[in-house]
Amino acid sequence: GAGVSQSPSNKVTEKGKDVELRCDPISGHTALYWYRQSLGQGLEFLIYFQGNSAPDKSGLPSDRFSAERTGGSVSTLTIQRTQQEDSAVYLCASSRQGAFTEAFFGQGTRLTVV
Amino acid sequence: GESVGLHLPTLSVQEGDNSIINCAYSNSASDYFIWYKQESGKGPQFIIDIRSNMDKRQGQRVTVLLNKTVKHLSLQIAATQPGDSAVYFCAENAGGTSYGKLTFGQGTILTVHP
Repeated sequence: GAGVSQSPSNKVTEKGKDVELRCDPISGHTALYWYRQSLGQGLEFLIYFQGNSAPDKSGLPSDRFSAERTGGSVSTLTIQRTQQEDSAVYLCASSRQGAFTEAFFGQGTRLTVV
Repeated sequence: GESVGLHLPTLSVQEGDNSIINCAYSNSASDYFIWYKQESGKGPQFIIDIRSNMDKRQGQRVTVLLNKTVKHLSLQIAATQPGDSAVYFCAENAGGTSYGKLTFGQGTILTVHP
């Protein structure tokens, strides 16, 4: 596709359930990022993938959060045993290698934990 | 810890005026600074970036100024248009082991009145 695609666009889940959020980056982009945006707040870094290098997981808030990137393309962010404080918009971005300042963002997945 | 923040949470201007959005940062090791525009329901969109070895950079109708002495960043938008109405975020990156990891400010809401 022409841009970064995220699915689902909206997700409502019950507290304690696991959720998977998907990101399809722009074709050819080797770098992929996940951020979280709470209501009225700036973006909070979660994790960064670059090519075959080990991902930078320093932003993951707890061990309930994990992410993987298969085949250097599609990425899945998994949140286990969701809590109400996990409610936020989860944004994925991708960029060319070495061009992280020009990352292209998807529209995000709005996660609501009830 | 490091943080990036904005002086003004909201800014209202008349169409045709010039807009200035300000941002303060605290990490003196930051090497990259980026401005993003986020419209309602969309992911952030890259506007312009600047490296720490520069103090000014111009784009189309936008200029970013960096004052490292006082750790201040600003975005100037010339001849502001209603389509410029959005939330504007500054972000910074320290490079090195933080490569790819952006720290975002809280955002400024820009409203342009016709």
